[in-house]
Formats: sequence, C-alpha cells, structure tokens
Amino acid sequence: AQRVTQPEKLLSVFKGAPVELKCNYSYSGSPELFWYVQYSRQRLQLLLRHISRESIKGFTADLNKGETSFHLKKPFAQEEDSAMYYCALSVEGSNYKLTFGKGTLLTVNP
Amino acid sequence: DVKVTQSSRYLVKRTGEKVFLECVQDMDHENMFWYRQDPGLGLRLIYFSYDVKMKEKGDIPEGYSVSREKKERFSLILESASTNQTSMYLCASSLPGKAADTQYFGPGTRLTVL
Repeated sequence: AQRVTQPEKLLSVFKGAPVELKCNYSYSGSPELFWYVQYSRQRLQLLLRHISRESIKGFTADLNKGETSFHLKKPFAQEEDSAMYYCALSVEGSNYKLTFGKGTLLTVNP
Repeated sequence: DVKVTQSSRYLVKRTGEKVFLECVQDMDHENMFWYRQDPGLGLRLIYFSYDVKMKEKGDIPEGYSVSREKKERFSLILESASTNQTSMYLCASSLPGKAADTQYFGPGTRLTVL
C-alpha cells in the first residue's frame, strides 16, 4: 500500500528565511502528488499539484522519483504562510483516493 | 465556487449515543468523502462514496457507517459513540476520475464524546 511521510511535525522559521517542508512517499508505480494547506480557522484546500508545475503563493514543489520525494519550498517565508501543510498522494486504480501524510505545522515568526 | 457544508461546527454527545454527521455539497460532485483529523495522525479516510447509494470503506471504517441517498448529501453515522471517536470530522467532495484528487473540504465538525 502507498504511504506518505512528513518527517517534521513542527517547523519554525523567521520571516524572510527560506522554508522547505519535506514529503517522502512509498509507491512502486507513478503517483500523483499534492500539497494541501489549512490556515487557521479556514478549510483545508489544495495548494498545488506536481503535474501543474506551477508556483502558488511563492511555493514550488518538484517530484523527485529517484528519491521518492515531493518537498515544498519557498525562498522567502511570510507570516501569512503559517499553517498546517499536508502532502498527499493518489494512484491510478484507487478511484483516485488521496492518501495524506500526518502534516507539518509551519510557523513563520516576525 | 464549490460549497461544502457540514451540519454542525461543534457537537457534544454521550457514550453510546447514535450520532449523525451531515454533509451537503452544491456542485453536483459524484464523489464524497469522510475523514477524521487528529493531531499527529493527519487525515484518515473513514468512508467514501462515488455515486448515490454506493460506498466504499476507507482506512478506518470500524465503528462508523455512511448513507448516501441523494447525490448532494453524505451522512456519517456513529452507531454507538465512544470516547475514542472524539475528533474533528471533515467532509469533502470531488468530481470523478482524474479530477477526484482535487477535493473540496467542508469546515469540519468537532465532535466530543463524553
């Protein structure tokens, strides 16, 4: 079965510093990877997906199949980036269900 | 704009009670999901439905059942609530097929079982 691992429960950085939220997955085929974000008192929402290869709110994520990783990066963190971030994976043949990691709580300090 | 609503934001029930959590979406989505969200455990899928009257178990279905009589409504039922079911419950919906991985979430119901 597929699995998503986010090794950091908590991550704290200062405003303006680079930030990287780690995500590793285990799946033998070709998965699709996503990052979902939940800001304080807001709904969980899609941030970005690897197939789009786009930057959302300054965040990017590259799928590295060799390292089975999909780390989320931003060169200069902002206070409004403080949120809970979940990495998720879907695989063909599973009705495209999502498997979520346990999440990383990012705090950006002023 | 997709709207997913859940019947209650906060709910307090007693052990042994039958509990109904309701979710409604207004975007004609085929797929609907129920998750529980616990600190340190992330989101875990309880059940999902890909059509009216169709359901499939997720990763942690024990102690729960679901009902989908209409396309827009997906109910989660705790037959006999227990304290270990105290949690935040999230409902989500999505289109079918490849679009299913973009899920739209409700605001959540925080259930406390005493």
